[in-house]
Amino acid sequence: AQSVTQPDIHITVSEGASLELRCNYSYGATPYLFWYVQSPGQGLQLLLKYFSGDTLVQGIKGFEAEFKRSQSSFNLRKPSVHWSDAAEYFCAVGFDGSSNTGKLIFGQGTTLQVKP
Amino acid sequence: EAEVAQSPRYKITEKSQAVAFWCDPISGHATLYWYRQILGQGPELLVQFQDESVVDDSQLPKDRFSAERLKGVDSTLKIQPAELGDSAVYLCASRRASGTEAFFGQGTRLTVV
Repeated sequence: AQSVTQPDIHITVSEGASLELRCNYSYGATPYLFWYVQSPGQGLQLLLKYFSGDTLVQGIKGFEAEFKRSQSSFNLRKPSVHWSDAAEYFCAVGFDGSSNTGKLIFGQGTTLQVKP
Repeated sequence: EAEVAQSPRYKITEKSQAVAFWCDPISGHATLYWYRQILGQGPELLVQFQDESVVDDSQLPKDRFSAERLKGVDSTLKIQPAELGDSAVYLCASRRASGTEAFFGQGTRLTVV
Protein backbone atom coordinates (compact mmCIF):
# COMPACT_ATOMS: atom_id res chain seq x y z
CA ALA A 1 0.00 0.00 0.00
CA GLN A 2 1.13 3.51 -0.70
CA SER A 3 2.17 5.50 2.35
CA VAL A 4 4.16 8.52 3.39
CA THR A 5 5.98 8.90 6.68
CA GLN A 6 7.19 12.14 8.16
CA PRO A 7 9.13 11.04 11.25
CA ASP A 8 9.30 14.45 12.89
CA ILE A 9 6.00 15.78 14.18
CA HIS A 10 7.47 19.02 15.47
CA ILE A 11 10.78 20.77 14.75
CA THR A 12 12.15 23.98 16.23
CA VAL A 13 15.04 25.85 14.62
CA SER A 14 16.58 29.23 15.20
CA GLU A 15 16.13 31.90 12.58
CA GLY A 16 19.04 31.77 10.17
CA ALA A 17 19.80 28.14 10.88
CA SER A 18 19.54 25.41 8.28
CA LEU A 19 16.53 23.12 8.04
CA GLU A 20 15.91 19.57 6.93
CA LEU A 21 12.49 17.93 7.06
CA ARG A 22 12.41 14.21 6.49
CA CYS A 23 10.03 12.25 4.31
CA ASN A 24 9.98 8.54 3.48
CA TYR A 25 7.52 6.91 1.13
CA SER A 26 6.26 3.55 0.05
CA TYR A 27 5.06 3.40 -3.55
CA GLY A 28 4.98 0.62 -6.09
CA ALA A 29 6.12 2.57 -9.13
CA THR A 30 8.31 5.58 -9.71
CA PRO A 31 6.63 8.14 -7.54
CA TYR A 32 5.63 11.68 -8.13
CA LEU A 33 6.70 13.49 -4.97
CA PHE A 34 5.58 16.78 -3.55
CA TRP A 35 6.12 19.10 -0.63
CA TYR A 36 3.31 21.41 0.42
CA VAL A 37 3.25 24.13 3.07
CA GLN A 38 0.21 25.15 5.08
CA SER A 39 0.04 28.33 7.14
CA PRO A 40 -2.60 28.55 9.88
CA GLY A 41 -6.09 28.83 8.44
CA GLN A 42 -4.85 28.51 4.89
CA GLY A 43 -4.93 25.90 2.20
CA LEU A 44 -1.96 23.98 0.91
CA GLN A 45 0.65 25.69 -1.23
CA LEU A 46 2.99 23.68 -3.40
CA LEU A 47 6.66 24.24 -2.57
CA LEU A 48 8.19 21.85 -5.10
CA LYS A 49 7.68 18.60 -6.94
CA TYR A 50 9.72 15.75 -8.41
CA PHE A 51 8.73 13.60 -11.36
CA SER A 52 11.93 12.52 -13.04
CA GLY A 53 15.37 13.71 -14.01
CA ASP A 54 17.63 15.65 -11.69
CA THR A 55 17.11 14.31 -8.19
CA LEU A 56 17.73 17.70 -6.60
CA VAL A 57 14.77 19.96 -7.20
CA GLN A 58 14.43 23.62 -6.45
CA GLY A 59 11.23 25.18 -5.21
CA ILE A 60 9.77 28.45 -4.11
CA LYS A 61 10.86 30.43 -1.06
CA GLY A 62 14.41 29.08 -1.23
CA PHE A 63 13.47 25.44 -0.54
CA GLU A 64 14.99 22.43 -2.23
CA ALA A 65 14.47 18.69 -1.93
CA GLU A 66 16.48 15.65 -2.90
CA PHE A 67 15.02 12.39 -4.14
CA LYS A 68 16.96 9.32 -3.06
CA ARG A 69 15.48 6.20 -4.59
CA SER A 70 17.72 3.84 -2.59
CA GLN A 71 16.42 5.32 0.66
CA SER A 72 12.84 5.96 -0.51
CA SER A 73 13.27 9.49 0.76
CA PHE A 74 12.47 12.98 -0.37
CA ASN A 75 13.83 15.34 2.27
CA LEU A 76 13.15 19.05 2.21
CA ARG A 77 15.94 21.50 2.95
CA LYS A 78 16.54 25.20 3.34
CA PRO A 79 19.95 26.70 4.09
CA SER A 80 18.70 29.64 6.19
CA VAL A 81 15.27 29.70 7.81
CA HIS A 82 13.24 32.88 8.13
CA TRP A 83 10.61 33.53 10.80
CA SER A 84 7.95 33.51 8.08
CA ASP A 85 8.75 29.86 7.34
CA ALA A 86 6.95 28.80 10.52
CA ALA A 87 4.11 26.61 9.26
CA GLU A 88 3.12 23.00 8.74
CA TYR A 89 4.84 21.06 6.01
CA PHE A 90 3.39 18.05 4.22
CA CYS A 91 5.13 15.54 2.04
CA ALA A 92 2.91 13.78 -0.48
CA VAL A 93 3.20 11.05 -3.11
CA GLY A 94 0.96 10.16 -5.96
CA PHE A 95 -0.49 10.80 -9.38
CA ASP A 96 -0.13 8.87 -12.54
CA GLY A 97 -0.28 11.57 -15.12
CA SER A 98 -0.19 9.20 -18.06
CA SER A 99 -3.48 7.63 -17.13
CA ASN A 100 -5.07 10.66 -15.51
CA THR A 101 -5.70 8.69 -12.37
CA GLY A 102 -4.18 8.67 -8.99
CA LYS A 103 -4.44 10.74 -5.88
CA LEU A 104 -2.17 12.49 -3.47
CA ILE A 105 -1.34 10.60 -0.31
CA PHE A 106 -0.08 12.85 2.44
CA GLY A 107 2.17 12.34 5.40
CA GLN A 108 1.11 13.40 8.87
CA GLY A 109 2.90 16.70 8.58
CA THR A 110 5.77 18.41 10.39
CA THR A 111 5.15 21.59 12.33
CA LEU A 112 8.05 24.01 12.04
CA GLN A 113 8.61 26.56 14.78
CA VAL A 114 11.23 29.27 14.26
CA LYS A 115 12.93 30.84 17.27
CA PRO A 116 14.08 34.47 16.96
CA GLU B 1 -4.27 34.13 -10.78
CA ALA B 2 -6.90 31.40 -10.90
CA GLU B 3 -7.82 29.83 -7.58
CA VAL B 4 -9.98 27.06 -6.22
CA ALA B 5 -12.91 28.70 -4.45
CA GLN B 6 -14.59 27.15 -1.44
CA SER B 7 -17.50 28.27 0.69
CA PRO B 8 -18.26 28.74 3.43
CA ARG B 9 -14.87 29.27 5.09
CA TYR B 10 -16.25 28.38 8.49
CA LYS B 11 -19.31 26.42 9.54
CA ILE B 12 -20.65 25.53 12.96
CA THR B 13 -23.45 23.03 13.07
CA GLU B 14 -25.18 20.93 15.66
CA LYS B 15 -24.82 17.17 15.52
CA SER B 16 -27.54 15.41 13.57
CA GLN B 17 -27.98 18.45 11.32
CA ALA B 18 -27.21 18.52 7.63
CA VAL B 19 -24.33 20.57 6.25
CA ALA B 20 -23.04 21.26 2.75
CA PHE B 21 -19.82 22.62 1.31
CA TRP B 22 -19.26 24.06 -2.15
CA CYS B 23 -16.19 24.05 -4.35
CA ASP B 24 -15.51 25.81 -7.64
CA PRO B 25 -12.32 24.45 -9.22
CA ILE B 26 -9.98 26.29 -11.53
CA SER B 27 -11.56 26.64 -14.95
CA GLY B 28 -10.70 23.75 -17.23
CA HIS B 29 -9.60 21.39 -14.48
CA ALA B 30 -11.26 18.06 -15.09
CA THR B 31 -10.12 16.40 -11.89
CA LEU B 32 -11.58 17.48 -8.57
CA TYR B 33 -10.76 16.15 -5.12
CA TRP B 34 -12.36 16.50 -1.71
CA TYR B 35 -10.00 15.92 1.21
CA ARG B 36 -10.68 15.89 4.94
CA GLN B 37 -8.00 17.16 7.30
CA ILE B 38 -8.44 16.37 10.96
CA LEU B 39 -6.50 18.60 13.34
CA GLY B 40 -2.90 17.48 13.57
CA GLN B 41 -3.08 15.11 10.62
CA GLY B 42 -2.44 15.18 6.93
CA PRO B 43 -5.31 15.47 4.45
CA GLU B 44 -7.12 12.27 3.55
CA LEU B 45 -8.94 11.80 0.27
CA LEU B 46 -12.71 11.46 0.51
CA VAL B 47 -13.70 11.50 -3.15
CA GLN B 48 -12.17 12.10 -6.57
CA PHE B 49 -14.06 13.20 -9.68
CA GLN B 50 -13.00 13.05 -13.29
CA ASP B 51 -15.41 15.47 -14.96
CA GLU B 52 -18.79 14.45 -13.53
CA SER B 53 -17.85 10.87 -12.75
CA VAL B 54 -16.65 9.55 -9.41
CA VAL B 55 -13.25 7.91 -9.81
CA ASP B 56 -12.54 7.05 -6.20
CA ASP B 57 -14.84 7.25 -3.21
CA SER B 58 -13.44 4.33 -1.28
CA GLN B 59 -12.83 6.42 1.83
CA LEU B 60 -16.12 8.31 1.74
CA PRO B 61 -18.47 7.33 4.60
CA LYS B 62 -21.39 6.76 2.29
CA ASP B 63 -23.97 6.33 5.01
CA ARG B 64 -23.72 10.03 5.79
CA PHE B 65 -21.56 11.70 3.16
CA SER B 66 -22.46 12.41 -0.44
CA ALA B 67 -20.73 14.32 -3.19
CA GLU B 68 -21.79 15.44 -6.60
CA ARG B 69 -20.39 17.29 -9.57
CA LEU B 70 -23.39 17.35 -11.86
CA LYS B 71 -22.05 19.38 -14.77
CA GLY B 72 -18.43 18.49 -14.28
CA VAL B 73 -17.58 21.93 -12.97
CA ASP B 74 -18.39 22.90 -9.39
CA SER B 75 -19.02 20.35 -6.69
CA THR B 76 -20.94 19.96 -3.45
CA LEU B 77 -20.05 17.77 -0.49
CA LYS B 78 -22.85 17.02 1.94
CA ILE B 79 -22.95 15.48 5.39
CA GLN B 80 -26.23 14.27 6.84
CA PRO B 81 -26.44 13.81 9.75
CA ALA B 82 -23.30 15.47 11.06
CA GLU B 83 -21.47 13.81 13.94
CA LEU B 84 -19.00 15.27 16.43
CA GLY B 85 -16.17 13.33 14.77
CA ASP B 86 -16.79 15.14 11.49
CA SER B 87 -15.20 18.30 12.86
CA ALA B 88 -12.32 18.97 10.49
CA VAL B 89 -11.17 21.11 7.60
CA TYR B 90 -12.60 20.03 4.25
CA LEU B 91 -10.27 20.85 1.40
CA CYS B 92 -11.10 20.92 -2.26
CA ALA B 93 -8.42 20.59 -4.92
CA SER B 94 -8.40 20.52 -8.69
CA ARG B 95 -6.01 19.43 -11.42
CA ARG B 96 -5.89 19.51 -15.19
CA ALA B 97 -6.60 16.11 -16.70
CA SER B 98 -3.00 15.64 -17.78
CA GLY B 99 -1.53 17.85 -15.13
CA THR B 100 0.83 16.90 -12.36
CA GLU B 101 -0.03 19.51 -9.78
CA ALA B 102 -3.12 19.78 -7.61
CA PHE B 103 -4.23 23.24 -6.55
CA PHE B 104 -5.96 23.55 -3.20
CA GLY B 105 -8.64 25.89 -1.95
CA GLN B 106 -8.47 27.47 1.49
CA GLY B 107 -10.83 24.91 2.93
CA THR B 108 -13.99 24.91 4.99
CA ARG B 109 -13.50 24.51 8.72
CA LEU B 110 -16.41 22.53 10.15
CA THR B 111 -17.16 22.43 13.85
CA VAL B 112 -19.89 20.07 15.01
CA VAL B 113 -21.28 20.84 18.47
